[in-house]
Amino acid sequence: GNSVTQMEGPVTLSEEAFLTINCTYTATGYPSLFWYVQYPGEGLQLLLKATKADDKGSNKGFEATYRKETTSFHLEKGSVQVSDSAVYFCALILGSSNTGKLIFGQGTTLQVKP
Amino acid sequence: KAGVTQTPRYLIKTRGQQVTLSCSPISGHRSVSWYQQTPGQGLQFLFEYFSETQRNKGNFPGRFSGRQFSNSRSEMNVSTLELGDSALYLCASSWSGEKLFFGSGTQLSVL
Repeated sequence: GNSVTQMEGPVTLSEEAFLTINCTYTATGYPSLFWYVQYPGEGLQLLLKATKADDKGSNKGFEATYRKETTSFHLEKGSVQVSDSAVYFCALILGSSNTGKLIFGQGTTLQVKP
Repeated sequence: KAGVTQTPRYLIKTRGQQVTLSCSPISGHRSVSWYQQTPGQGLQFLFEYFSETQRNKGNFPGRFSGRQFSNSRSEMNVSTLELGDSALYLCASSWSGEKLFFGSGTQLSVL
């Protein structure tokens, strides 16, 4: 079936370190891919998206590239801040017959220490 | 532009009761989706409504139901509550059903 797998957390980094959170997917067809972030006590915020192979989504210093050959959509940031501490979710959505139906990974908790 | 608004923010119910949660989408968005978030199962899709019609449904029992009104506001109902229904329920709206914007959720505790 269709699924998303993320690296297990928590990921603990020092401020200004480089961040990578791995995400791979299994899907029939050509999904759109997303990263969402959830801060404590809040809902999910859309961080970035990519809709086709080789697309790069970027926002607030975060980037992810849609790699069809490796079915991956890894999240990266060059220099993390304490305020980036949150749970990050990779997700996919599969075409017009699956509107509103995001398939999420299990989430990766990021802790950034000063 | 106001975001997605969910009410109430917190709810405490007892087993066997029923509950109704409300969601007001972003103005102009006609698609509303509902998700259940638990520590064990993560984020799971419940259903999606578009122009008052259910377009997609997840794998939840019939105790979970929803509806959408002509102003795109949506409600979800859970009948005969079970302990396992304790979760954060998230609503999301979108223009097309693909790029979703989430509310802050309703935290439901079933005692």
